[in-house]
Amino acid sequence: EIVMTQSPATLSVSPGERATLSCRASQSVSSTLAWYQQKPGQAPRLLIYDVSTRATGIPARFSGSGSGTEFTLTISSLQSEDFAVYYCQQYNNWPPMYTFGQGTKLEIK
Amino acid sequence: QVQLQVSGPGLVKPSQTLRLTCTVSGGSISSGDYYWSWIRQPAGKGLQWIGRIYTSVSTTYNPSLRSRVTISPDTSKNQFSLRLSSVTAADTALYYCISGAPIIGAFDIWGQGTMVIVSS
Repeated sequence: EIVMTQSPATLSVSPGERATLSCRASQSVSSTLAWYQQKPGQAPRLLIYDVSTRATGIPARFSGSGSGTEFTLTISSLQSEDFAVYYCQQYNNWPPMYTFGQGTKLEIK
Repeated sequence: QVQLQVSGPGLVKPSQTLRLTCTVSGGSISSGDYYWSWIRQPAGKGLQWIGRIYTSVSTTYNPSLRSRVTISPDTSKNQFSLRLSSVTAADTALYYCISGAPIIGAFDIWGQGTMVIVSS
């Protein structure tokens, strides 16, 4: 099983600043890497898939990058609504298998 | 636009079987347009994929749960169901049904989730 490790566990950033979240895979996942945002009491929301493609309706301040085993989610200028927990996920299409990182909590500094 | 609604009991006794149903609107579980999955999240913890069904016939499960999980379709009602046997307290979680378009690969549509507590 591919293990996804996110860092840091908690990130404190001021509104308007840039946030950089990391995700590492235990083996190469090629480009099958997604990012989700989860706010308290809500289901996760897909932000990014295929490493860098923004999902429908996701603002341009969210961007993804990386390849192989190292990936990054960048939020260029934090808005109040961006403070949440973020998960990375790899998705093998064959054989189908999906694993998530443990999450990074992005909190207001 | 696909929408998903989970239903099922919120309390299950240890050693019994958890059963949840996901009702789909805006899309057909029989088509190849989406994968239909279950994911769970224990309180305050991360996300675990349980399994998926595709075109109502192809199922794949998380190896760690495979021996206890069945995902099955009801095409007449456009629903898919989760059956998890021999539950323990470790199965207490918020359960989501989700869809994902094959062209995307990831999970782009989430139901609201339902909390299931395993307790006597």
